[in-house]
Amino acid sequence: DGGITQSPKYLFRKEGQNVTLSCEQNLNHDAMYWYRQDPGQGLRLIYYSQIVNDFQKGDIAEGYSVSREKKESFPLTVTSAQKNPTAFYLCASNGRNSYEQYFGPGTRLTVT
Amino acid sequence: GQNIDQPTEMTATEGAIVQINCTYQTSGFNGLFWYQQHAGEAPTFLSYNVLDGLEEKGRFSSFLSRSKGYSYLLLKELQMKDSASYLCAVRPNSGNTPLVFGKGTRLSVIA
Repeated sequence: DGGITQSPKYLFRKEGQNVTLSCEQNLNHDAMYWYRQDPGQGLRLIYYSQIVNDFQKGDIAEGYSVSREKKESFPLTVTSAQKNPTAFYLCASNGRNSYEQYFGPGTRLTVT
Repeated sequence: GQNIDQPTEMTATEGAIVQINCTYQTSGFNGLFWYQQHAGEAPTFLSYNVLDGLEEKGRFSSFLSRSKGYSYLLLKELQMKDSASYLCAVRPNSGNTPLVFGKGTRLSVIA
C-alpha cells in the first residue's frame, strides 16, 4: 500500500538533546512538508521541500533542520535550540499532478 | 500576512445539519481545502474548492465564494463519529506549495 510513514508515534527526550523524526513516503511525490501542531492551534509550517536536495524554511523554522537526500525521505531534526519542542509533528506530501496533501500518522514528541 | 478564521467550537445534535464557516485573507488563492482530524490522529482530506460554488460529496458539502473570501463545510445527517476538528486551509501559491491552516473548529455531536 502506498502512503506516508512516520516513526516513532511517541517520542520522549530530555531537554538539551537533538532528536530526529522520520518521514518516508512511497507515493513518488515530489513535495514534502513538515508541520507542527500545538493544542488549540492549527498546523504551522516548519520546512518544506519541492525537490530532492532543496528545501525552504516555513513560518517557524528556528530550532529545526531538515535534509532531502532522497525523494522518499524528509527527516526533521529538532535541535536543542528549539525552545518549546513538545508538540505533535505531522509530515505531508503531494504529487505534481495532485492538489491533495496526504498526511502521515504523526509523531508526538515530549521533551522534559 | 495570511489569516484564516473559523469558529473554535461548535455543538450539534445527532441527525442534524451543521455548517462550519471559514473566512480567509491570503496573499494569493490557489484552492481551499477542508480536512477532518480526530483527536490524536492525522488530518484526512474532505474537500477541495478552487472555483466558486458548491461541491457535494455524500453527507459532506463545501462551498466557496472567492470574492468574499468565504467558505463553509456542511455536514448532513450528523453521526457521533463526526465529532472531530475540522480544519480549513488555503493554498496561496500555485504548484506544490504549502497550505496555510486555520486553527480548526472542534465539533461535538451529542445525542
